[in-house]
Amino acid sequence: EVQLVESGGDLVQPGGSLRLSCAVSGFTFSNYYMSWLRQAPGKGLEWVANIAKDGSEKYYVDSVKGRFTISRDNADNSLYLQMNSLRAEDTAVYYCARGAGWESDHWGQGTLVTVSS
Amino acid sequence: DIQMTQSPSSLSASVGDRVTITCRASQIIRYLNWYQVKPGKAPNLLIYGAANFQSGVPSRFSGSGSGTDFSLTISSLQPEDFATYYCQQSDSAPLTFGGGTKVEIK
Repeated sequence: EVQLVESGGDLVQPGGSLRLSCAVSGFTFSNYYMSWLRQAPGKGLEWVANIAKDGSEKYYVDSVKGRFTISRDNADNSLYLQMNSLRAEDTAVYYCARGAGWESDHWGQGTLVTVSS
Repeated sequence: DIQMTQSPSSLSASVGDRVTITCRASQIIRYLNWYQVKPGKAPNLLIYGAANFQSGVPSRFSGSGSGTDFSLTISSLQPEDFATYYCQQSDSAPLTFGGGTKVEIK
């Protein structure tokens, strides 16, 4: 069974940092693109970042470029999102997801990031 | 960036109704995906590449379209289908979603 489990969400002050993790099981992690996506309270879905199967290519939405870094450890079946200089508008449920291409065919349950003083 | 425009933003329908949601891209795309989102649950991929069924998705869901205009049809709405639906283009980064269509019970 494919499983993706996010962790690391928390309440953080504006300007602070968080590192989200996503532990996966049930599939060969290194065969899939991985993504982070988010949904702010009462808002729609937003794609945040993608990473290639071997980690060689990374893509970001403009609003997080220079602040967030996506990475993966294929030996440990783990995906990460390092989030720096957090802003109130980054408040959202963050999901990790996998895809054979850039579609996301399995998602985790999400982890809540709240940026507030 | 490719802009995705979904319509309607919400609709009310009854069990058994046929429902169609449309999605328009700001430029020609090939890869259009549809997701179903229920409160408190992980989003669920329904259709990828405009018309390909994701494994396990009921056959009452179908996708069609090409170029800039796409649609998701639910042939006979079931109680478990009341949810919010999003289209997404995965042609090029940044991957972008439509604004969503909330399907509510009439």
